[in-house]
Amino acid sequence: RKEVEQDPGPFNVPEGATVAFNCTYSNSASQSFFWYRQDCRKEPKLLMSVYSSGNEDGRFTAQLNRASQYISLLIRDSKLSDSATYLCVVNSDAGNMLTFGGGTRLMVKP
Amino acid sequence: GAGVSQSPRYKVAKRGQDVALRCDPISGHVSLFWYQQALGQGPEFLTYFQNEAQLDKSGLPSDRFFAERPEGSVSTLKIQRTQQEDSAVYLCASRLGTSGHYEQYFGPGTRLTVT
Repeated sequence: RKEVEQDPGPFNVPEGATVAFNCTYSNSASQSFFWYRQDCRKEPKLLMSVYSSGNEDGRFTAQLNRASQYISLLIRDSKLSDSATYLCVVNSDAGNMLTFGGGTRLMVKP
Repeated sequence: GAGVSQSPRYKVAKRGQDVALRCDPISGHVSLFWYQQALGQGPEFLTYFQNEAQLDKSGLPSDRFFAERPEGSVSTLKIQRTQQEDSAVYLCASRLGTSGHYEQYFGPGTRLTVT
């Protein structure tokens, strides 16, 4: 079983739709949680950190449920430019390496 | 300012050749990481440096993989006697501090193809 699991998708949605991605992690000692975005043939870039209280950045909302070891990302009013792979990422309890899920591919269509 | 740079961007090696991949981190960043990303997968951790010290190499898949950062800045990942399964994108990331709460900034990667 992988340490961070995500549905690989693809999620095909029309512009303006709301889409949600989920992720589960197995290491209960994990300390930090993130969503990264990766465009085709590009490097991963930090989209947002995820906090227990939940956090929002514009059209993006991230939630963390430590009890269920579950992380989510909600994208509202999808744009064509949101098309990318979204990587769920967990920082080990050592605070060093990032453990990535396999990524969820999103395709926003006009 | 300048981000993380990696060279070469693309490398084709014949099976059995040795390769060296270079990473120039953001100036002043203490922490440096190497990750391997196979096609269609998320990146997987290879090794971690804090300044010149290699503190974690638990992700290196075999003793054919070796990394160094002798002066605490530029790092090189070397793969000896390359195999087809080594074909992947090798990503380098740097981080300002040592805490996991700092953001890791990724370079564009080196795409290695072993034929």
